[in-house]
This record gives sequence, C-alpha cells and structure tokens, in this order.
Amino acid sequence: QSALTQPRSVSGSPGQSVTISCTGTSSDVGGYNYVSWYQQHPGKAPKLMIYDVSKRPSGVPDRFSGSKSGNTASLTISGLQAEDEADYYCCSYAGSYVFGTGTKVTVL
Amino acid sequence: QITLKESGPTLVKPTQTLTLTCTFSGFSLSTSGVGVGWIRQPPGKALEWLALIYWNDDKRYSPSLKSRLTITKDTSKNQVVLTMTNMDPVDTATYYCAHEGILYYFDYWGQGTLVTVSS
Repeated sequence: QSALTQPRSVSGSPGQSVTISCTGTSSDVGGYNYVSWYQQHPGKAPKLMIYDVSKRPSGVPDRFSGSKSGNTASLTISGLQAEDEADYYCCSYAGSYVFGTGTKVTVL
Repeated sequence: QITLKESGPTLVKPTQTLTLTCTFSGFSLSTSGVGVGWIRQPPGKALEWLALIYWNDDKRYSPSLKSRLTITKDTSKNQVVLTMTNMDPVDTATYYCAHEGILYYFDYWGQGTLVTVSS
C-alpha cells in the first residue's frame, strides 16, 4: 500500500483560503468514506481535524472543512490564521491505514 | 478524559528487538468497538501506520512491516505492547500510540517517544 500523495507545501496570507489535496486510489480514498486529516505543529503529536471525509470533531473551528471527489480528498482552511501554520496529513482506511506524504502550510 | 503515553527504550542497537508500551486511561480495551494503534514518524518525514489491536483481540498490521511486528494487549493493566524485530537505523523515529475512534480515525494520541537505532 503506497502513501497517499499530497503537495509538499501550500501557502496563503491571513484571511485567505488554502486547499490541500490527497490523492489515492479506488482501493483506499476512492473506495471508502474513511478519510481523516491531522494537524501537526513542530514537536507535537498529530491532532485530528476531520474524520469520515467531512466531519469535524468537537472543538475544531468550522473554517476547516473536508471533501472528496473520486480518488482525491481535500482539506480546505478558510480564513487562514497564523496558528494554522503546521504540517497536515491525510489518512485513509481500507482494511488497513495509509497516511499521506504530508503538506506544510505556511501563513505568509 | 482519554490519555495515552508511550514508554520504552530511547536507544536500541541494530538487529535488536524493540518493545514499546502504551499505557492509557479514560477508556477500556474490553469495551466493544475500541481499538489502539501505533504510528511512527522518522525525523522530518511523514507519519506511517504500523499496527492496531481491537477490544476483541483482532489485530491489523502494516503489510510492509507485518513480518516484524507483534501487537498485544493487557486489558487489566490498560496497556498495549508493540514489538518490532530486527531493528535497523531506518527505524529511527518517534513512535506514537493512539486511540481509534468509532470508525477508522485516531482521535486521541500519546505524546510520542523517540527511538534511535544506532550501534
């Protein structure tokens, strides 16, 4: 099972929106609605931001949203804030888990 | 409140076996639907899922590492143990344990423990 493909980095100014893509196959991302997204600040453990493609856990701001089309899932951060600068990982379950390659979000 | 904490050696030699323990609180691994997984992250690199064990002792392993991994649980101690054989310097990483949510995501994570493989 190969890692899901994410862009290495994305950036945006405060207040703007950024979208991170996560591309897999019909055997993982495309075959199940079990895509989750994690935020990781340097030296910290990952934090769950989105699960089941588009659901937000309690406490996660509604400017974080998730979607999926075919074999590609996406995480959108609207109204970008300084504290959103972090690494983001997608993850898909298909009998076993596979994580994405990770995306560094930079707030300009 | 769910918490998890990893423990084990910080340094292992090549070819040795690594044993890591995840001690948790706030939930029971005897409750239907509950799972605990292990994920690792080499320095500066991406997350990699390793293994997961469920309340009913069902076990899942990363296909690429399956031959080297064993995951077990001790429900009475609220612990999950991961062993990885034949350690190599490329296995140097921070190892995390995590609580699996209702369906296929990790909602609570430990702080992680850095394991270095070096002679």
